[in-house]
Amino acid sequence: EDQVTQSPEALRLQEGESSSLNCSYTVSGLRGLFWYRQDPGKGPEFLFTLYSAGEEKEKERLKATLTKKESFLHITAPKPEDSATYLCAVQGHSWGKLQFGAGTQVVVTP
Amino acid sequence: DGGITQSPKYLFRKEGQNVTLSCEQNLNHDAMYWYRQDPGQGLRLIYYSQIVNDFQKGDIAEGYSVSREKKESFPLTVTSAQKNPTAFYLCASSSAGANTGELFFGEGSRLTVL
Repeated sequence: EDQVTQSPEALRLQEGESSSLNCSYTVSGLRGLFWYRQDPGKGPEFLFTLYSAGEEKEKERLKATLTKKESFLHITAPKPEDSATYLCAVQGHSWGKLQFGAGTQVVVTP
Repeated sequence: DGGITQSPKYLFRKEGQNVTLSCEQNLNHDAMYWYRQDPGQGLRLIYYSQIVNDFQKGDIAEGYSVSREKKESFPLTVTSAQKNPTAFYLCASSSAGANTGELFFGEGSRLTVL
């Protein structure tokens, strides 16, 4: 059974204080690892797809990396607008079925 | 603007009542999905549809039903058989030509059972 564990559950940062979120996974035949951002009361917004160990993707202050067992979402010099819950999901062999983690809630204070 | 529209945003239901949540997309996507989100838990798949007139059960389909009569529409009915229906419901879609993990989500519908 595919499993995804995200840590920490919550993270409070000062503006400009860089940090990393962790997504540990077990999956039978990884077809993709996905990061989403979710604002309170809204639907998730797709950020990145990672396919294989060693791959990296960047978007503004966010950088996602992937190893064979985990993925990291690095937030560099965060701003208050980066406050959100960040969700990680993996896709194995089953079409259309993503296994989501519970998310990391990030709060960035000025 | 292309996107996914869910309605209503908030819904209150008495125990024993069925309710239907609407999901409409104008992205021309073939695949559509329904997820449930509870506090402290990851999104869980209820039903998904790869094409019109076809749908499959997800991980937590009991007490729910769907239809896919049009490409643009994928309504979800929460029946009285669903034991704990209070939750945040999310509809999503994806292009058949893209990785099916890259989902476009609606804004969600929050259902509360009184």
